[in-house]
Amino acid sequence: AQKITQTQPGMFVQEKEAVTLDCTYDTSDQSYGLFWYKQPSSGEMIFLIYQGSYDEQNATEGRYSLNFQKARKSANLVISASQLGDSAMYFCAMRELGGNNDMRFGAGTRLTVKP
Amino acid sequence: EAEVAQSPRYKITEKSQAVAFWCDPISGHATLYWYRQILGQGPELLVQFQDESVVDDSQLPKDRFSAERLKGVDSTLKIQPAELGDSAMYLCASARGPGQDEQYFGPGTRLTVT
Repeated sequence: AQKITQTQPGMFVQEKEAVTLDCTYDTSDQSYGLFWYKQPSSGEMIFLIYQGSYDEQNATEGRYSLNFQKARKSANLVISASQLGDSAMYFCAMRELGGNNDMRFGAGTRLTVKP
Repeated sequence: EAEVAQSPRYKITEKSQAVAFWCDPISGHATLYWYRQILGQGPELLVQFQDESVVDDSQLPKDRFSAERLKGVDSTLKIQPAELGDSAMYLCASARGPGQDEQYFGPGTRLTVT
């Protein structure tokens, strides 16, 4: 069974600083995808970044990068140069590419950016 | 930019009443998902459609929940009768296919059962 663990219920970061949000996962599959989503207070889930299990390079999307350590089964999200608008819930998710491909989410981390 | 549409955005209902949510995925997206997100938790998959067929409804409480996507486009999720524990955000997402594709989420329907 898949399991996604986000150990930080809440994180604070100073504006313009970088922050790392932790995510570990558990799977016996070799082929899977890892996702990070942002959920502002308005409720919609906004896709941020994707990492495939066979991707050798860490994914990057603008100020977002994914620190993928396959042996440790971790997929931490790094946000550089934090902005006040980054304050939101952040969810890590994984989808095994066999079976039904359904996505499993972690419990989330609430990030607060301080001015 | 194409978006997933959901309605209503907010719904308050009394327990034992019936309630329905609607989702219109991005045009051309064959895969549609319904998730339930309880406050303070991550979304949990309720049902997945591939076109008009249910691919996975193992987590759907079938005694009270039903979902359909008759023409393989828009979808309806129904709860009858609603219970207090059903209060949650109900999110719909769509994807081009069931593979590695990113899922695009709608704004959600926030349900409160009183």
